[in-house]
Amino acid sequence: NAGVTQTPKFRVLKTGQSMTLLCAQDMNHEYMYWYRQDPGMGLRLIHYSVGEGTTAKGEVPDGYNVSRLKKQNFLLGLESAAPSQTSVYFCASKRRETGELFFGEGSRLTVL
Amino acid sequence: AQSVTQPDIHITVSEGASLELRCNYSYGATPYLFWYVQSPGQGLQLLLKYFSGDTLVQGIKGFEAEFKRSQSSFNLRKPSVHWSDAAEYFCAVGTRPNDMRFGAGTRLTVKP
Repeated sequence: NAGVTQTPKFRVLKTGQSMTLLCAQDMNHEYMYWYRQDPGMGLRLIHYSVGEGTTAKGEVPDGYNVSRLKKQNFLLGLESAAPSQTSVYFCASKRRETGELFFGEGSRLTVL
Repeated sequence: AQSVTQPDIHITVSEGASLELRCNYSYGATPYLFWYVQSPGQGLQLLLKYFSGDTLVQGIKGFEAEFKRSQSSFNLRKPSVHWSDAAEYFCAVGTRPNDMRFGAGTRLTVKP
C-alpha cells in the first residue's frame, strides 16, 4: 500500500540548474497537489491538477511548472533553480468523497 | 483576505495533561475544516475534519475538535497527552476543494 510516493527525497542544486520532482499515487485520485513547506509559513500551494491533462496555479506558482500526463503522476519542474526555492516539497492527492489529502513523505531541496 | 491563524508556534505540555491547540480562520463562508499532524521527516496525516452537522468532531488518536462559528475557530483538543503525540499540528481550511489554506503550524513538545 504505497499511497503517495515522491522522488527524489533529497536533492542539492546549484543556482540555475533544472530538476523535476516526481509524485506518484496509486489510489486513483483525480486531484493532486504540490505544496512547499517553509518554517513558520505552513504549507503553500504551488500548483494543482483536477485530472489527467489539466493543471492550475496555486498560491505561489512562480518559478515552477507542472505536468499531469498520466492520472497517477504529477511532476513538478524547476527550470532555473534559485536559492529562494530551497524548501521541503510535498505532493498530495485527494479522496474526492471525503476531501482528505494524502501526503507523500516530502522532498527536501537545497539550492546553493 | 482569506487566512488561517494558529496563534501558538510552540506548546509544551506534560504527559497526561490536557491539550488545546487553537485555530482561527477568516473566510467569507463557512469553510471545510481540517486538522493534520506531521511527525518529524514525515508527510501530513489527517486527524479529523468538519464539513457540516455536529460541531464537535472526533478524530483518530483520541483527538477531537469543536467548530465555533461565532468565534471563527476550530480548536483541537485531547484530554490526556501521550509522549507519542509530540509532532507538528496544522489547521487547514477551505471553501472549495482547491482552495485549502494551511496555518503555520503548532509544534507540540511533551514533557515526561
